[in-house]
Amino acid sequence: GEDVEQSLFLSVREGDSSVINCTYTDSSSTYLYWYKQEPGAGLQLLTYIFSNMDMKQDQRLTVLLNKKDKHLSLRIADTQTGDSAIYFCAEKSDSTLGRLYFGRGTQLTVWP
Amino acid sequence: EPEVTQTPSHQVTQMGQEVILRCVPISNHLYFYWYRQILGQKVEFLVSFYNNEISEKSEIFDDQFSVERPDGSNFTLKIRSTKLEDSAMYFCATLGVENTEAFFGQGTRLTVV
Repeated sequence: GEDVEQSLFLSVREGDSSVINCTYTDSSSTYLYWYKQEPGAGLQLLTYIFSNMDMKQDQRLTVLLNKKDKHLSLRIADTQTGDSAIYFCAEKSDSTLGRLYFGRGTQLTVWP
Repeated sequence: EPEVTQTPSHQVTQMGQEVILRCVPISNHLYFYWYRQILGQKVEFLVSFYNNEISEKSEIFDDQFSVERPDGSNFTLKIRSTKLEDSAMYFCATLGVENTEAFFGQGTRLTVV
């Protein structure tokens, strides 16, 4: 089946940039997503990118997609302590009727 | 900002009991999903529902599970006879006609004792 992999932990200092990486195996992926989960909370959709794009910017968030290498990254500029959370990468293909495949999540810790 | 609403936020139940988890999808969305997240593990797909029927289900979604949309608004997940290993956070998600943004509810934390 489809596999989505992420590193489990990332620590950065407040004000620095964070880069969270994700790899996936499904070559028919159409959309790739980043979700944020704060402790005890649900999954908040941060941003997504269509597979025919290689970059998407949304305020402090930049998503880079390398479709050839099946590599997705999320860059958070000027990281704040409020950005501390688990970040999930997920992918969807048209062949799966909207089903998402998730990575294990990257725990981002931001130090003041 | 549209949102998916789930109730209850937390449910504790005894092993063997039936539970029903409820979700109110975003009003013009057509595709509905249940996912679960066992503590510390991946978010796993359970089932997708479209046009009042199941369109896909995972191997986790066995005969103990069922879904329905009884009144055209609520979307429910029923677990007939809960097991300890059903303890998890259960998320409802919905997808609109554009088939792009998948929105998740806040989740129901199910604890089976």
